[in-house]
Amino acid sequence: DTGVSQDPRHKITKRGQNVTFRCDPISEHNRLYWYRQTLGQGPEFLTYFQNEAQLEKSRLLSDRFSAERPKGSFSTLEIQRTEQGDSAMYLCASSLVMRESADTQYFGPGTRLTVL
Amino acid sequence: AQSVTQLDSHVSVSEGTPVLLRCNYSSSYSPSLFWYVQHPNKGLQLLLKYTSAATLVKGINGFEAEFKKSETSFHLTKPSAHMSDAAEYFCVVIHSGGYQKVTFGTGTKLQVIP
Repeated sequence: DTGVSQDPRHKITKRGQNVTFRCDPISEHNRLYWYRQTLGQGPEFLTYFQNEAQLEKSRLLSDRFSAERPKGSFSTLEIQRTEQGDSAMYLCASSLVMRESADTQYFGPGTRLTVL
Repeated sequence: AQSVTQLDSHVSVSEGTPVLLRCNYSSSYSPSLFWYVQHPNKGLQLLLKYTSAATLVKGINGFEAEFKKSETSFHLTKPSAHMSDAAEYFCVVIHSGGYQKVTFGTGTKLQVIP
């Protein structure tokens, strides 16, 4: 399968623990996005990378959240000291952008986080 | 600043009748507009996109949308609903000027009645 993959698909953790999610984009896609989606809402943009550079961060991304894309391929999203309000589906998407433009984002299946 | 308003949180149609899902946007610049569909327990899938070419955009599964700048709308339509169209639909605005800004609407859940 050459689509966007995310790992794990489900994560249950206790409040205060740290969690890390991984996203593998479509090969050679230069942009990678992270979103959060809660029940009954549309995805909310968190951050995106152009290659390894993190270009934009939403104010939703508190200092407990950090994302990396060290080699411009896969990305990780870490949440430190999780809170119950962090419970959500975390979505990753990737796209291939040849110039400064909006291009089609391909979404992964998401990681569902439950914080007890 | 930019925003997206999906005017209906739920739409119910009978199988074989037309579908209209409404989307209005606001953006300081010329945006790119997308419609995505999310079936239960499945990932988001692109239906169609507008990127300043033709204002009437055709997508997959018989869907189309018309970009109307004067009305700041990008409504999604389909002439005849199919049971498999039952899903949640999201209108998305992307502004690309400098850094990208992506805004999803809150979604419209489409129910198709047999």
